[in-house]
Amino acid sequence: SAVISQKPSRDICQRGTSLTIQCQVDSQVTMMFWYRQQPGQSLTLIATANQGSEATYESGFVIDKFPISRPNLTFSTLTVSNMSPEDSSIYLCSAGPNTGELFFGEGSRLTVL
Amino acid sequence: DAKTTQPPSMDCAEGRAANLPCNHSTISGNEYVYWYRQIHSQGPQYIIHGLKNNETNEMASLIITEDRKSSTLILPHATLRDTAVYYCIVRVVSAGTALIFGKGTTLSVSS
Repeated sequence: SAVISQKPSRDICQRGTSLTIQCQVDSQVTMMFWYRQQPGQSLTLIATANQGSEATYESGFVIDKFPISRPNLTFSTLTVSNMSPEDSSIYLCSAGPNTGELFFGEGSRLTVL
Repeated sequence: DAKTTQPPSMDCAEGRAANLPCNHSTISGNEYVYWYRQIHSQGPQYIIHGLKNNETNEMASLIITEDRKSSTLILPHATLRDTAVYYCIVRVVSAGTALIFGKGTTLSVSS
């Protein structure tokens, strides 16, 4: 199984600022994904982080708001740009091989004031 | 959209078996059934997955009907620590696709 570490685990940010969340996997993986979990809700897929190329975004999510980088097979970042209180959520990184199970980090809890 | 239907909540007494149902009547031949759970304030935890045969591991058993239109996750001896939201997800593994989460079942285990 893969161990996934996310930083920061939580943060409180001001409206209009940006925050970058890091995801580090302890082994090389093919697939990496970013999810959002709004308070009391299930997980929603934001995008697939593609190594060496632009991320693939789901409907309702755009690169200008959620830029994603994936420079190698073990690391990815998600930036939440120009934040508003509606962006207050838990952001989760998921990773795994092309087949089999996917693993999740503990999440980054973001509060926007 | 999620392709599965689960009851929103279930209760179970500690020490008893918890049987969590899932309906996936539109499942395709190349889609696996996955189960994850999310304990409060933690990331989702993988439990088990299967294609058409029943599967068992140290955490649970997965029973898939012969027509693959439904399945049941069985926690043989539920403990208080099994209180969580349980998600049943169908996924095409060969395409390297993401997990698409539905609303899941909130399992409450009480003493």
